[in-house]
Amino acid sequence: KAGVTQTPRYLIKTRGQQVTLSCSPISGHRSVSWYQQTPGQGLQFLFEYFSETQRNKGNFPGRFSGRQFSNSRSEMNVSTLELGDSALYLCASSLAGVGTGELFFGEGSRLTVL
Amino acid sequence: AQSVTQPDIHITVSEGASLELRCNYSYGATPYLFWYVQSPGQGLQLLLKYFSGDTLVQGIKGFEAEFKRSQSSFNLRKPSVHWSDAAEYFCAVGVHSSGATNKLIFGTGTLLAVQP
Repeated sequence: KAGVTQTPRYLIKTRGQQVTLSCSPISGHRSVSWYQQTPGQGLQFLFEYFSETQRNKGNFPGRFSGRQFSNSRSEMNVSTLELGDSALYLCASSLAGVGTGELFFGEGSRLTVL
Repeated sequence: AQSVTQPDIHITVSEGASLELRCNYSYGATPYLFWYVQSPGQGLQLLLKYFSGDTLVQGIKGFEAEFKRSQSSFNLRKPSVHWSDAAEYFCAVGVHSSGATNKLIFGTGTLLAVQP
């Protein structure tokens, strides 16, 4: 069974631009979560989608948004990029609809903002 | 507020020695607890989880963890460390008291180095 696939793996943007990251969950998984990982703040929850609906959201500004499609694939978008948005963005999928926190992570998309 | 504390930022052990990584949590209800491992440049892999029942849980790669409610701890142990265990280890608590969600709160991680 294929794991969680994130694209692109690496990208470089400049301040003010926007970026879209993609995540394909494990087949059959309907929950997709996104996390930001930085050296200073560690792993922080961005949002979670289940059956195309945002089920939970972390404490990030409105520049960070996401969506989920009917095939459970998810995208997240960051608009008006800032230097501090440089991070590893991790997507995770889960089988359990009730929410247990047992997550399967992708390898991440590393975003560098110049 | 929910939180997870990993007091050791960096630990070095010799190959073959035993290992214990500490984790303390703050959570109002019965916690769902996890240990994840991250190798350089990789995503996170689940080592083990505790939802309920037996407080000593076994995971992959020979790891185990013990849930101690009285101490709000969930320490990770391994009797004999291998060089391939060098990685960063994250303890996490699952936020489930406010309804169905897969939100995790992570600790800051413990970086494990293994000496030959």
